[in-house]
Amino acid sequence: AQSVTQLGSHVSVSEGALVLLRCNYSSSVPPYLFWYVQYPNQGLQLLLKYTSAATLVKGINGFEAEFKKSETSFHLTKPSAHMSDAAEYFCAVSLEYGGSQGNLIFGKGTKLSVKP
Amino acid sequence: GAVVSQHPSRVICKSGTSVKIECRSLDFQATTMFWYRQFPKKSLMLMATSNEGSKATYEQGVEKDKFLINHASLTLSTLTVTSAHPEDSSFYICSAKIGNTIYFGEGSWLTVV
Repeated sequence: AQSVTQLGSHVSVSEGALVLLRCNYSSSVPPYLFWYVQYPNQGLQLLLKYTSAATLVKGINGFEAEFKKSETSFHLTKPSAHMSDAAEYFCAVSLEYGGSQGNLIFGKGTKLSVKP
Repeated sequence: GAVVSQHPSRVICKSGTSVKIECRSLDFQATTMFWYRQFPKKSLMLMATSNEGSKATYEQGVEKDKFLINHASLTLSTLTVTSAHPEDSSFYICSAKIGNTIYFGEGSWLTVV
């Protein structure tokens, strides 16, 4: 069975600092992994996805994530935080081997705060 | 990009009443829509998969008679929480699938008093 663990329900960084949001997964088949962002009063927006191509995935807004099979991790990073990055971030794994995002297993989410 | 809209964004209802939440795909036709629920400090949990013109597929542990899902058209799916109780208070969010891409709605906060 697939599962996702996000370490840290709340992460606070200073503007300009590195953002690191941690996600570990478990999956019995090669996983398809996703990061979503949810801004206040908005829906979930796809940041990036890993679908077994390049292990380093670049997403929108300067975010990227690296798939590390040996560590079963898919941590999200951004070199320099911006105030507008403050939001809740969700890591998710797809149940479907075919790569469709149909059935997603989500982590509990990490709320990112950015201090001026 | 594609937009999915949910309505209402917030609703308060009395215990024992029913409440309907709508999920619309605004600029595309979605043959499949998904309904999720999020408890405080918990993950988003898939409740059901809704396919246009057929019965929804519910996840284990989700009461199909309590959470009625209707997907009558390619642009609208509705979730009706029947005989709502305070423990049904939660954040409900839908998503719509087009091809291999999923678009999420804004979510709906339900409070049952």
